Amino acid sequence: DGGITQSPKYLFRKEGQNVTLSCEQNLNHDAMYWYRQDPGQGLRLIYYSQIVNDFQKGDIAEGYSVSREKKESFPLTVTSAQKNPTAFYLCASSTPWQGANPVYAGYTFGSGTRLTVV
Amino acid sequence: AQSVSQHNHHVILSEAASLELGCNYSYGGTVNLFWYVQYPGQHLQLLLKYFSGDPLVKGIKGFEAEFIKSKFSFNLRKPSVQWSDTAEYFCAVNGRSGGYNKLIFGAGTRLAVHP
Repeated sequence: DGGITQSPKYLFRKEGQNVTLSCEQNLNHDAMYWYRQDPGQGLRLIYYSQIVNDFQKGDIAEGYSVSREKKESFPLTVTSAQKNPTAFYLCASSTPWQGANPVYAGYTFGSGTRLTVV
Repeated sequence: AQSVSQHNHHVILSEAASLELGCNYSYGGTVNLFWYVQYPGQHLQLLLKYFSGDPLVKGIKGFEAEFIKSKFSFNLRKPSVQWSDTAEYFCAVNGRSGGYNKLIFGAGTRLAVHP
């Protein structure tokens, strides 16, 4: 079955350490996204990538980094510069929006990684 | 910049009451609109979506939403809620800017339905 796999489900790290969250998809989707979910703030976009070797900052990119070396993979690194890293992180992928007339961009979400920094 | 505003952060209803959750967005171009639901302890689930055609969209579990372009709104409705509708509801807008798609979420509305 096609889908998005995020690992691990739970992650604990000490303050000051970098940590990388994995996101892999086998849907052949071009675009991939990282969101952070906090109570009362919904899902906020961290980074997104439309194609391989290209990515853009979202609304809260500070303290995070990403890479997109393969179509299937979009890992997110939470660096020590991120002041409040404890959160639930969701990865998503989507079909492309093509041409002047938009087609439905279907989004698929992973099951998330809960990161706790102690 | 693209943004989504959900007016109610917390809503408390009794079973059988009618529900309407407000959603307004800010974006100048063509959009796709979504409502997602997150039940306690579970993951995001798509309730319904709009991308073109009839502005009244029907989704799963008896939910519907109406796209009013002139008001930049996409309010979610259900005529009679059940206890099992207790969840958090997110409105989201997919817009295209500078050659990139991105999906932006509202802050969410937490709905509690009492028996």
